[in-house]
Amino acid sequence: KQEVTQIPAALSVPEGENLVLNCSFTDSAIYNLQWFRQDPGKGLTSLLLIQSSQREQTSGRLNASLDKSSGRSTLYIAASQPGDSATYLCAVSPTGFQKLVFGTGTRLLVSP
Amino acid sequence: GAVVSQHPSWVICKSGTSVKIECRSLDFQATTMFWYRQFPKQSLMLMATSNEGSKATYEQGVEKDKFLINHASLTLSTLTVTSAHPEDSSFYICSASGQTNTEAFFGQGTRLTVV
Repeated sequence: KQEVTQIPAALSVPEGENLVLNCSFTDSAIYNLQWFRQDPGKGLTSLLLIQSSQREQTSGRLNASLDKSSGRSTLYIAASQPGDSATYLCAVSPTGFQKLVFGTGTRLLVSP
Repeated sequence: GAVVSQHPSWVICKSGTSVKIECRSLDFQATTMFWYRQFPKQSLMLMATSNEGSKATYEQGVEKDKFLINHASLTLSTLTVTSAHPEDSSFYICSASGQTNTEAFFGQGTRLTVV
C-alpha cells in the first residue's frame, strides 16, 4: 500500500527565506506526482505536476524535483512571502487515472 | 486550467437527514471523478472513484450504502451522505479528470457539519 510522508509537518520562516519541503513515498511505481497548496478551509490549488519520466518542474518561484527510484520529491520555494503561508500537500498517482494518494502535509507560515 | 465547481461550499444538517453534494466540470467532460474526505488536521483520503454511466468504486472501509455516488453525465457527479451522523462531519472535496494521465482538477470543497 502506497504511503506518502511529508517533512516537516510545520515550518515557520521569516519573509525572504528560501525553503525546501520534502515528500517521500514508499512505492516507486508512480505515474506522476503533484504538489498542491491548501488554504485553511479551502480547496486545493495545483502548483506543479511532474510526470514519472521527468526530473523537475518549475513555475515562478517554485521548483519541484522528483527522484522516483528513491521515492522522494522536494518543493523549493524561493524568496518566500507571507502570501505563501498555507498547507502544502504532495500526492502521487499510482496509475494514469489521477487517483491520488496524499501526503500528510506541511503547514508553512511566512512571517513579515 | 479547467474549472470544477462544487456545491454547496458548506452545509449544516441535523443528524439522521441526508445531504447531497454536487461536483460539476464546467468546461470539460469528466470521464472520471473522485471523492475525497478530509478530517481536521488530517490529509485527504480517497473515498470513491466514479466513472460516467457506471457504478462507483469505493475504497476499503467506505460504506457504499451510506455514501451514494451518482455520475449520470460527463459533467456532473453527486455524493449523497445518507442518514448523516456527527462523525460524518468533515470536509468533502471532489476532483475531475478528462483523460488518462492528465491533471485532475479539484472543486472548492464542502464543509459538512452534522448536529
